[in-house]
Amino acid sequence: NAGVTQTPKFQVLKTGQSMTLQCAQDMNHNSMYWYRQDPGMGLRLIYYSASEGTTDKGEVPNGYNVSRLNKREFSLRLESAAPSQTSVYFCASSEVWGAQETQYFGPGTRLLVL
Amino acid sequence: QKEVEQNSGPLSVPEGAIASLNCTYSDRGSQSFFWYRQYSGKSPELIMSIYSNGDKEDGRFTAQLNKASQYVSLLIRDSQPSDSATYLCAVRGDTGGFKTIFGAGTRLFVKA
Repeated sequence: NAGVTQTPKFQVLKTGQSMTLQCAQDMNHNSMYWYRQDPGMGLRLIYYSASEGTTDKGEVPNGYNVSRLNKREFSLRLESAAPSQTSVYFCASSEVWGAQETQYFGPGTRLLVL
Repeated sequence: QKEVEQNSGPLSVPEGAIASLNCTYSDRGSQSFFWYRQYSGKSPELIMSIYSNGDKEDGRFTAQLNKASQYVSLLIRDSQPSDSATYLCAVRGDTGGFKTIFGAGTRLFVKA
């Protein structure tokens, strides 16, 4: 099993450009997440999807959109990139049993917006 | 006030010592508590989870939870240089759709 995969690994954008970050998991998990990680800020939730067909905003959704394409795939789109969106983006998936949850993270996408 | 607070460190301990990492949280209704380890340039991985007050041991790791004080800690016994990483505390509550909130992490250095 590959676990959680993300593409691309690295990306450089100019201000105003758009791009989509792809994420896929092969663990048959219902829940998927997009986080950004900035120095000293920890992981901040952008959007999450509790199940196929549903998405909800997290802590920092502005400037992003998501699509839960099917149970395996959850994409993150930046419509008009800004330098403030320079960050490392992690996708994660999990299965939840009551209070118990383990999130499995992808390798991350390092994004630089100039 | 941040929802999950950790001392950013760095925390430096000699090889073989006990490393003690601490975390406080603000949501009194929180149900689940996790410690993730993140090596530099890598993604986080779960090392411990704890759901009830008291201690939970797994090998060299012990998680301690005190819900009354809203405090969770991670002890690493016999610390090894390979334990050098950032440790993220995460809390899953009963508000906001049961989302998991991560602290900013504590950097740990284990000196050989």
